[in-house]
Amino acid sequence: GNSVTQMEGPVTLSEEAFLTINCTYTATGYPSLFWYVQYPGEGLQLLLKATKADDKGSNKGFEATYRKETTSFHLEKGSVQVSDSAVYFCALRPINTGGFKTIFGAGTRLFVKA
Amino acid sequence: DTAVSQTPKYLVTQMGNDKSIKCEQNLGHDTMYWYKQDSKKFLKIMFSYNNKELIINETVPNRFSPKSPDKAHLNLHINSLELGDSAVYFCASSQGAAGKSSGNTIYFGEGSWLTVV
Repeated sequence: GNSVTQMEGPVTLSEEAFLTINCTYTATGYPSLFWYVQYPGEGLQLLLKATKADDKGSNKGFEATYRKETTSFHLEKGSVQVSDSAVYFCALRPINTGGFKTIFGAGTRLFVKA
Repeated sequence: DTAVSQTPKYLVTQMGNDKSIKCEQNLGHDTMYWYKQDSKKFLKIMFSYNNKELIINETVPNRFSPKSPDKAHLNLHINSLELGDSAVYFCASSQGAAGKSSGNTIYFGEGSWLTVV
């Protein structure tokens, strides 16, 4: 079946540190891949996405590359800020559900210390 | 202008009660969803509606009944509330299905915090 696995948190970093949150997936064909972010007390917001292999999604200094060969979509940022503290969700939208079902990973909480 | 709005934001109620959460989107989308997020932040789809028709029902107890009076609204009614129903419920919407770039992004409401005591 379709699934998303992301690294367990929480991840605690100092400001300006390098961030990597790993995400791997299982799916048939070429699903679309997403990273969503949830700030405290808020709903999820799309951070970035990639719809085909080797695509790189980027936004607000965050990047993720769709790697078909390793079925991965790791999130990276070169220098995190305190304001990046949030929960990050990796997600996929499989082709075989007609696009009506997006599957989310368990979320990774990030704490950034000043 | 809130794209996906849901009410109430906070709801505390006793076991056995019946409650509803309302959701409206002003994005012109044809697909709406309900997700449940538990205390560990795990997010799970409950229902998906496309053009007012139920597309996905993820083995949710039949105490949960979604209703979509039109494409812009998807309400969630819960009967006989149980302690385990305590969670954050997110409404969301998107346009169309996979394969169309504009249809891939899901827009979420701010969540409804339900506490059953």
